[in-house]
Amino acid sequence: DGGITQSPKYLFRKEGQNVTLSCEQNLNHDAMYWYRQDPGQGLRLIYYSQIVNDFQKGDIAEGYSVSREKKESFPLTVTSAQKNPTAFYLCASSIEVPLAGGWTSTDTQYFGPGTRLTVL
Amino acid sequence: QKEVEQNSGPLSVPEGAIASLNCTYSDRGSQSFFWYRQYSGKSPELIMFIYSNGDKEDGRFTAQLNKASQYVSLLIRDSQPSDSATYLCAVTLGNTGFQKLVFGTGTRLLVSP
Repeated sequence: DGGITQSPKYLFRKEGQNVTLSCEQNLNHDAMYWYRQDPGQGLRLIYYSQIVNDFQKGDIAEGYSVSREKKESFPLTVTSAQKNPTAFYLCASSIEVPLAGGWTSTDTQYFGPGTRLTVL
Repeated sequence: QKEVEQNSGPLSVPEGAIASLNCTYSDRGSQSFFWYRQYSGKSPELIMFIYSNGDKEDGRFTAQLNKASQYVSLLIRDSQPSDSATYLCAVTLGNTGFQKLVFGTGTRLLVSP
């Protein structure tokens, strides 16, 4: 079965700790994304990666870090610098489609089951 | 103005009725439009995508796109209690060479038996 897996499902962090959330996909997608969702809110983009060994900041990257050493994997580290990390974290992947003028665009994004992070 | 706007709801409809969910977006350069359904505590799942002006039907779902008015909607016919969820509108936006998805805050739909 092709899909996206995230682990753990629930994660508890103490103040001052760094924690790493795992995201793995076997859809052979080049692009991967991390989103954060707060209660009653939409999804906000943290980081994205269009290709191995390259990634870009999203709208709320402060206090987070990522790596993309393999096509299948895009782990997210929530650092102690993130002041309000309690949230639902979602990983997604997609193919890229070409647009006019050399631009590209995400196509349909498929989501993992999410990790719910709580700061104690 | 938010990049993607949705009424947060809740939108309440009786079972068997048509539910109409609306979304407006700010960027005339947006190319692709998506509707996701999200049950409480779960991750979003794709319902439909639409790229061209007009209507696109898939079973009980119809997506409608009007690029001139920067408006996209989702109609759910014969609504069922299992359709009760939050519906997220997502639009491709970007000015850095790569268009990303920007999500609205979602509309909560409640279908009563």
